[in-house]
Amino acid sequence: KAGVTQTPRYLIKTRGQQVTLSCSPISGHRSVSWYQQTPGQGLQFLFEYFSETQRNKGNFPGRFSGRQFSNSRSEMNVSTLELGDSALYLCASSDGDRGMVNSPLHFGNGTRLTVT
Amino acid sequence: AQKVTQAQTEISVVEKEDVTLDCVYETRDTTYYLFWYKQPPSGELVFLIRRNSFDEQNEISGRYSWNFQKSTSSFNFTITASQVVDSAVYFCALQLFDSGTYKYIFGTGTRLKVLA
Repeated sequence: KAGVTQTPRYLIKTRGQQVTLSCSPISGHRSVSWYQQTPGQGLQFLFEYFSETQRNKGNFPGRFSGRQFSNSRSEMNVSTLELGDSALYLCASSDGDRGMVNSPLHFGNGTRLTVT
Repeated sequence: AQKVTQAQTEISVVEKEDVTLDCVYETRDTTYYLFWYKQPPSGELVFLIRRNSFDEQNEISGRYSWNFQKSTSSFNFTITASQVVDSAVYFCALQLFDSGTYKYIFGTGTRLKVLA
């Protein structure tokens, strides 16, 4: 099985711009989660989608949004970028129903976003 | 409060030394799962082990072993005879049920450097 695929791998944007990141989960996985990883804060949960519905959301401002398509692929959008949004954004998929019960997350390589 | 603490920010060892990575968690839930993930330089987090709150048996997998103690809320990870390829950031995570779904709480990670 192919792993979780995230595109692009690297991205450089300027403040005020918006960005869209893409994630293709492992085939058959219906749950997709997004995390922001920064040196100071570690892994912070952004949101989780299951069958095209946002099922769980972390404590991030409304500038961060996402969606999931019928094929389980997911996109994450950040509008009005700020310097502090520079981070590694990780996508993870899972085959667990009911929010990944007893099912490990499978992560992609991440998208490294740099905001200048 | 629900929290995962990895007090060791960075550890350096010489190859073939044994090393233990500490993980302390906080939760009032009686049912939860604990995980360890490895993040090599390539970026993706790799699942290592899962343990549920009712199973306190220690586990050994090759050079890796895990010690789960509910009495001290700890889930420590030991690498025996470390190798350079073990160099990575290791994350401990707690999965529990919250607001109708399951969520993960990650520790801030421990960077392990194994020197040749």
